[in-house]
Amino acid sequence: DAKTTQPPSMDCAEGRAANLPCNHSTISGNEYVYWYRQIHSQGPQYIIHGLKNNETNEMASLIITEDRKSSTLILPHATLRDTAVYYCIVRGSYSGAGSYQLTFGKGTKLSVIP
Amino acid sequence: DVKVTQSSRYLVKRTGEKVFLECVQDMDHENMFWYRQDPGLGLRLIYFSYDVKMKEKGDIPEGYSVSREKKERFSLILESASTNQTSMYLCASNRGGVTQYFGPGTRLTVL
Repeated sequence: DAKTTQPPSMDCAEGRAANLPCNHSTISGNEYVYWYRQIHSQGPQYIIHGLKNNETNEMASLIITEDRKSSTLILPHATLRDTAVYYCIVRGSYSGAGSYQLTFGKGTKLSVIP
Repeated sequence: DVKVTQSSRYLVKRTGEKVFLECVQDMDHENMFWYRQDPGLGLRLIYFSYDVKMKEKGDIPEGYSVSREKKERFSLILESASTNQTSMYLCASNRGGVTQYFGPGTRLTVL
């Protein structure tokens, strides 16, 4: 599986856009980029995923560079409730039966400041 | 809305006790997972199940067993709890692929 590199922490002012980068320079052609987040003392929450095109949903946007070696998760208007650890994952290890186990690295601790 | 619930948020048990952690999902997902999460070690897969009565070992199954008698319910059992099983336990479910939906977690302390 491709490794990912994320900054350990970032701050963002409330109401501003939070841009969280992720490097995945060894990504292979058919591997998707997934983003999850984990708010303190809660289970991880799926945010978004993409292959090569930019993606947007009600939570966030995902921008993937043309060479697919990096991506940026954008929270357009960060709120205090977005304070969490954000994990960038490139697929995972195949568990069987069409499913992959998740492997989280250290992620980026995003602090949204009032 | 996908909902995965776990029986307890916090649990304190004594060494040697048998511990049951229950997980229920309401989305008719085929696959269910049990992970543990420890500081510095990230998420590690204990067991997963891809169908009723079917189970597969993950990376760290020792000291654990699982039960899936109904599609919506996946139980993790610690036969004889030990202090090194103090951890955050997370249940997840999906229909396949990488997207998984997690429960709120159970923080287990074994004294």
